[in-house]
Amino acid sequence: KAGVTQTPRYLIKTRGQQVTLSCSPISGHRSVSWYQQTPGQGLQFLFEYFSETQRNKGNFPGRFSGRQFSNSRSEMNVSTLELGDSALYLCASSGGATYSYEQYFGPGTRLTVT
Amino acid sequence: AQTVTQSQPEMSVQEAETVTLSCTYDTSENNYYLFWYKQPPSRQMILVIRQEAYKQQNATENRFSVNFQKAAKSFSLKISDSQLGDTAMYFCAFMKSGNSGGSNYKLTFGKGTLLTVNP
Repeated sequence: KAGVTQTPRYLIKTRGQQVTLSCSPISGHRSVSWYQQTPGQGLQFLFEYFSETQRNKGNFPGRFSGRQFSNSRSEMNVSTLELGDSALYLCASSGGATYSYEQYFGPGTRLTVT
Repeated sequence: AQTVTQSQPEMSVQEAETVTLSCTYDTSENNYYLFWYKQPPSRQMILVIRQEAYKQQNATENRFSVNFQKAAKSFSLKISDSQLGDTAMYFCAFMKSGNSGGSNYKLTFGKGTLLTVNP
């Protein structure tokens, strides 16, 4: 089975721009979660989607949004980028038959805001 | 809210030796899951081992085992016969279980322990 894929892998944007990141979950997984990883704050939960509905949201400003499509693929969008948004953005999928709660991560998208 | 604490920012071990990474957590929940994830220099987060809080038996996956002490809210990871490929950042993580909404399917991570395996 193919793992979680994320595109693009690297991205450089300018302050004030917006960005869209994509995540394709493991086949059959219906839950997709997003995390932000920075050296200062560590790993922080952004949001989680299941069947095209956002079920959980972390403590991030409204500039961070996401959505999930009917094929379970998910996108997250960050508008009006700030320097502090530079981070590794990780996507994880879950919903396996045995341990449905286990999250499997993609390789991440490295976003640099200049 | 749940918190996860990893008190050892860095550790090192000789190849073939055994090392134990510490993790404590704070929660008022009774039903939850605990995980150890490994993040090597490639940055790919890899699930190492899971533990369901309702199970008293400690989880084991090949060279990896945990010491789960629910009353003490402690969840340590033991790596036996350490290999050079075990060099990575290790994260302890907590997830509330159940269908009550809120933090379900949300992982709360510790700050991580950087483990270096020396030849």
